[in-house]
Amino acid sequence: QQQVKQSPQSLIVQKGGIPIINCAYENTAFDYFPWYQQFPGKGPALLIAIRPDVSEKKEGRFTISFNKSAKQFSLHIMDSQPGDSATYFCAASMAGNQFYFGTGTSLTVIP
Amino acid sequence: GAVVSQHPSWVICKSGTSVKIECRSLDFQATTMFWYRQFPKQSLMLMATSNEGSKATYEQGVEKDKFLINHASLTLSTLTVTSAHPEDSSFYICSAEFGGNEKLFFGSGTQLSVL
Repeated sequence: QQQVKQSPQSLIVQKGGIPIINCAYENTAFDYFPWYQQFPGKGPALLIAIRPDVSEKKEGRFTISFNKSAKQFSLHIMDSQPGDSATYFCAASMAGNQFYFGTGTSLTVIP
Repeated sequence: GAVVSQHPSWVICKSGTSVKIECRSLDFQATTMFWYRQFPKQSLMLMATSNEGSKATYEQGVEKDKFLINHASLTLSTLTVTSAHPEDSSFYICSAEFGGNEKLFFGSGTQLSVL
């Protein structure tokens, strides 16, 4: 059973656009929601993370929106660049015991 | 951020041989390390959780005799794929939890190709 559902599977945007990737979860015990960026042939890198006590977190061009009642969270990339082209994974964990990953979104930013 | 070093990055081996992959936390002590397997264009599949000084906890369906995990120190965990077969070919990634605050840092991955 997929603990974290992620959509879309792939996304293509023009440079400067704002891609949005969505994730949903069921287990209300999750208390940490990170996003990872992965380039081909490399391990994922932590991008930004949020805890359920806040509804939004922004770091540079990356913003997480969190809706606790809907059990959803999303990643927004402002002013997207071709260098942002990568696969993005959302994840959820409870007390850091185990991380559950979404299925990934392949983002392509066209120059 | 914290650095996790994984070696080798790429290995090709003959069927029946064993391959060892190392995962090191370079600037922090990692009580817990995780090992994942990733198929092309798919998500990370957790194989096992490795705790320093104790036996690893394997996920359902993962053969512990085939994927030997050792976490002998707070900075090193190893995954040994024993008697590798072509179906074991995959991208293996380790991660370590930093500071007990749930920040997970990943190694760069190891692409294993078994001929």
